[in-house]
Amino acid sequence: DVKVTQSSRYLVKRTGEKVFLECVQDMDHENMFWYRQDPGLGLRLIYFSYDVKMKEKGDIPEGYSVSREKKERFSLILESASTNQTSMYLCASSFVVGDTSNEKLFFGSGTQLSVL
Amino acid sequence: DAKTTQPPSMDCAEGRAANLPCNHSTISGNEYVYWYRQIHSQGPQYIIHGLKNNETNEMASLIITEDRKSSTLILPHATLRDTAVYYCIVRIRKGQGNLIFGKGTKLSVKP
Repeated sequence: DVKVTQSSRYLVKRTGEKVFLECVQDMDHENMFWYRQDPGLGLRLIYFSYDVKMKEKGDIPEGYSVSREKKERFSLILESASTNQTSMYLCASSFVVGDTSNEKLFFGSGTQLSVL
Repeated sequence: DAKTTQPPSMDCAEGRAANLPCNHSTISGNEYVYWYRQIHSQGPQYIIHGLKNNETNEMASLIITEDRKSSTLILPHATLRDTAVYYCIVRIRKGQGNLIFGKGTKLSVKP
């Protein structure tokens, strides 16, 4: 089975701290994603990457950056954490079959981040 | 905004079939319909997807109407472990990373 592992299940940080969320996948997938999930808002895409050292902004990239130095690892960085970044963060990876419309995502278990 | 419409909640008796509807009336000809589910405190899990034909796998069946404007996910024998939020998703933009998750249907399987 595909395994997407997020480094922490729960994190508590202070406002202004730099926060790193790590994600590793073991299936040699090209594409990796970071979402955040908030009650009533569903999942929202922050950033994604379709190759090493490549990144694309999603729907809500403000306040975040990402790093993809190796194919299996995709990191989400909060340069200066704020209380409105308290959320569940979900990492995913995917492979594409044929054209880019046929894509299957595999998610990690999530990191619940609280910024105080 | 998501281009799909799902009921916010449904109940199903354990052992019975759960039929979860989804409307996607603005779907384009080459857009797939995807279904994921999210069990409490876990990440979403892929269930099934299809383009035009009905699909079946070990988890569920997907029935897509001939005009492709709606679909139904069928869990043939629901168990308590199928209690989850089920998301019907249609890709609305080309390229990777563009699955838009709406609010889904909260399915409660009851003994």
